Amino acid sequence: QQQVKQSPQSLIVQKGGISIINCAYENTAFDYFPWYQQFPGKGPALLIAIRPDVSEKKEGRFTISFNKSAKQFSLHIMDSQPGDSATYFCAASARTGGSYIPTFGRGTSLIVHP
Amino acid sequence: ETGVTQTPRHLVMGMTNKKSLKCEQHLGHNAMYWYKQSAKKPLELMFVYNFKEQTENNSVPSRFSPECPNSSHLFLHLHTLQPEDSALYLCASSQEITVVGEAFFGQGTRLTVV
Repeated sequence: QQQVKQSPQSLIVQKGGISIINCAYENTAFDYFPWYQQFPGKGPALLIAIRPDVSEKKEGRFTISFNKSAKQFSLHIMDSQPGDSATYFCAASARTGGSYIPTFGRGTSLIVHP
Repeated sequence: ETGVTQTPRHLVMGMTNKKSLKCEQHLGHNAMYWYKQSAKKPLELMFVYNFKEQTENNSVPSRFSPECPNSSHLFLHLHTLQPEDSALYLCASSQEITVVGEAFFGQGTRLTVV
């Protein structure tokens, strides 16, 4: 059972364009939603995260939009650059059983063409 | 460098071999994790240790055996693996599992079972 559904699986964007990756979840107990970025040959690294008490969080060119009622959240990359080409994972976690252990989506492979 | 170091980076082993993966973190964290990353699949949580105690074992076959001698070191002992076990094995650490926050990943060990 996939608790966090991520789409699209792959995304190709031209330099300067907007990249949008979407995630949906079922478990209403989730209360922490991080996005991780993974470059080839590297482990995932935290990019940006949001708690459900806000609808949007922006850090530079990266924005998370959160829709609690729809149980959806998305990552927007503005002015996409070739250096943004990587795999992006959304995740969700909740303090169930006393532990915050994230559940990851399948990942989105982003290619930004120069 | 994320502060989480995994060795070896690449490993090729036969189905009858015994090998071990090593993970070391220099972040003062108390939680450590093993994840399996296969192509086009979500990151699969395998094991979780919190303050050296195993708290999660996600129905992982017994041919994978974790060991956590202290909060800074984590091992994954491998024996009689199958070709479908070929994947990228990622180690991660976090402050502790009861505190929400970032997981720091190592670069992974690319395992090939022949």
